[in-house]
Amino acid sequence: DTGVSQDPRHKITKRGQNVTFRCDPISEHNRLYWYRQTLGQGPEFLTYFQNEAQLEKSRLLSDRFSAERPKGSFSTLEIQRTEQGDSAMYLCASSPSLGESEQYFGPGTRLTVT
Amino acid sequence: GDSVTQMEGPVTLSEEAFLTINCTYTATGYPSLFWYVQYPGEGLQLLLKATKADDKGSNKGFEATYRKETTSFHLEKGSVQVSDSAVYFCALSAKNTGGFKTIFGAGTRLFVKA
Repeated sequence: DTGVSQDPRHKITKRGQNVTFRCDPISEHNRLYWYRQTLGQGPEFLTYFQNEAQLEKSRLLSDRFSAERPKGSFSTLEIQRTEQGDSAMYLCASSPSLGESEQYFGPGTRLTVT
Repeated sequence: GDSVTQMEGPVTLSEEAFLTINCTYTATGYPSLFWYVQYPGEGLQLLLKATKADDKGSNKGFEATYRKETTSFHLEKGSVQVSDSAVYFCALSAKNTGGFKTIFGAGTRLFVKA
């Protein structure tokens, strides 16, 4: 098992463009989380999937953000009409469905909006 | 809402010094508490956890005790090493209507000098 992977690792885009990030969780993990982390801050919860069902979305997740996990395996996070304030590290984590389990984090995708 | 507050960094210590990083939380119900660590250039990884009051989590010489009466989960290590230089995040995970939601503190950067 290679752990949680994210692609791309870095993305530079111009304001107004759409971007999509991919997360591949650990294969037997049912739960998948997306977080956003800005410099000097801890990860902020964005959204959470149990298998293919999106169970919760943060109010940070404006209507420009959408996440999917169509087959309960990999997930995508799309940001439409990017703004400079979207520049951050986007982290994905997964965990098994065993109560409040440890989360395993990917390396993150660093987004820079110019 | 639920929140985590941890001491601001950076914390700079000499090798073999005693380490304490303070963490307090606010939560409804009975959350699980975690310390995650992020080494330079790496993703977040779980350091230790405690799931109920008076539990002590420990790993790699680090310890933290779940104190419900003071809503605290302070991280301690008796003798730090240069390799402990990293950013440490305190976090709580609480069950809510959608599942489990993890809230992170802002992180405390630790520098250990040889």
